Amino acid sequence: NAGVTQTPKFQVLKTGQSMTLQCAQDMNHNSMYWYRQDPGMGLRLIYYSASEGTTDKGEVPNGYNVSRLNKREFSLRLESAAPSQTSVYFCASNLSGWNSGNTIYFGEGSWLTVV
Amino acid sequence: TQLLEQSPQFLSIQEGENLTVYCNSSSVFSSLQWYRQEPGEGPVLLVTVVTGGEVKKLKRLTFQFGDARKDSSLHITAAQPGDTGLYLCADPNGSGNTGKLIFGQGTTLQVKP
Repeated sequence: NAGVTQTPKFQVLKTGQSMTLQCAQDMNHNSMYWYRQDPGMGLRLIYYSASEGTTDKGEVPNGYNVSRLNKREFSLRLESAAPSQTSVYFCASNLSGWNSGNTIYFGEGSWLTVV
Repeated sequence: TQLLEQSPQFLSIQEGENLTVYCNSSSVFSSLQWYRQEPGEGPVLLVTVVTGGEVKKLKRLTFQFGDARKDSSLHITAAQPGDTGLYLCADPNGSGNTGKLIFGQGTTLQVKP
């Protein structure tokens, strides 16, 4: 059972380049999320998709765009990468919304360096 | 948005020692989750606490939710090198009923053999 799969695992970009991080889940979850993790900052929500066809901004959306391609896939795009976007990016999913039994599952992370 | 403060930020101890890490907020939590993240991996849910005063145990880990539901602690007894990792608390209701988790900044634990 693959769970949440992210690609690529590692990427180095030059300032101004664009790229897309791909995420797919095979758990038939409705909600998907993109977080970034920086030292001493915990995880901060970039964008989320509560269900197929909807996307909303999180805490730190500037410089990013997302696409909920279908129920399985949620991509994160950097149109013009900046050094401040150097981070570890995590995709996550859960069944939908929150209740006491609704666990969120994370991918293994994508390490992005912008030089 | 509710802010979660975790302490300490870093902890380095010897195998066999006990430790406690804390998660505090100025607001009341509806519920609170604890995650562990190992190097090179995503966070994994350890426990959810819901009721004020609740205590949950997971082997050598004891989780407590404050009576007023504004704080929580994680106590590890006889720490092992395998406990090394980043411990994160999270508020699953930080922004309404969307499962939009709000995380604390984490406590990095290193257990030396």
